[in-house]
Amino acid sequence: QKEVEQNSGPLSVPEGAIASLNCTYSDRGSQSFFWYRQYSGKSPELIMFIYSNGDKEDGRFTAQLNKASQYVSLLIRDSQPSDSATYLCAVSRQLIWGAGTKLIIKP
Amino acid sequence: EPEVTQTPSHQVTQMGQEVILRCVPISNHLYFYWYRQILGQKVEFLVSFYNNEISEKSEIFDDQFSVERPDGSNFTLKIRSTKLEDSAMYFCASSEEARSYEQYFGPGTRLTVT
Repeated sequence: QKEVEQNSGPLSVPEGAIASLNCTYSDRGSQSFFWYRQYSGKSPELIMFIYSNGDKEDGRFTAQLNKASQYVSLLIRDSQPSDSATYLCAVSRQLIWGAGTKLIIKP
Repeated sequence: EPEVTQTPSHQVTQMGQEVILRCVPISNHLYFYWYRQILGQKVEFLVSFYNNEISEKSEIFDDQFSVERPDGSNFTLKIRSTKLEDSAMYFCASSEEARSYEQYFGPGTRLTVT
């Protein structure tokens, strides 16, 4: 059974700090990894995708992939209250999803 | 900015009835997807569709489900005989190319089966 695991949270981070979200996956053959943001009652919104080991940066967001450890993370710098949402990790062309981590940014 | 649209936003139906959920993908996109999310649970892949046929489907997508692209703009999900456990938010998504895994999601249809 292919699984994607995330800590459900909530993860509480002060405004302006770095939020670190983590995801592990079981299928060693996975090639593509995605982070989505989902506000309550809304649809998922793609934040970042990463295919290669290492870091990928886009504005305040950095995705980190370590295929050897089967681990992908998302860093959010200078966290804002508007970043408060559930962050979903998806693997392998969005076929397998984690349950999400609820992030709360405290003003 | 182009977006995926879905109708209706909320559908209430009785157990055993057929429902059709409708989606209009982004116009130049070629790949279409359906997902569902039961309240409080994870997003689950149902099916992907390309060139008028199913590319991949999950174990959830059994004989009760079907998809169709009846014209050049709509993409539909039909549930033949709804069950209580089909109650969920159903999301349609589309992507531009074969290798573009950047999927854009519609706002969803909340299906309630009573």
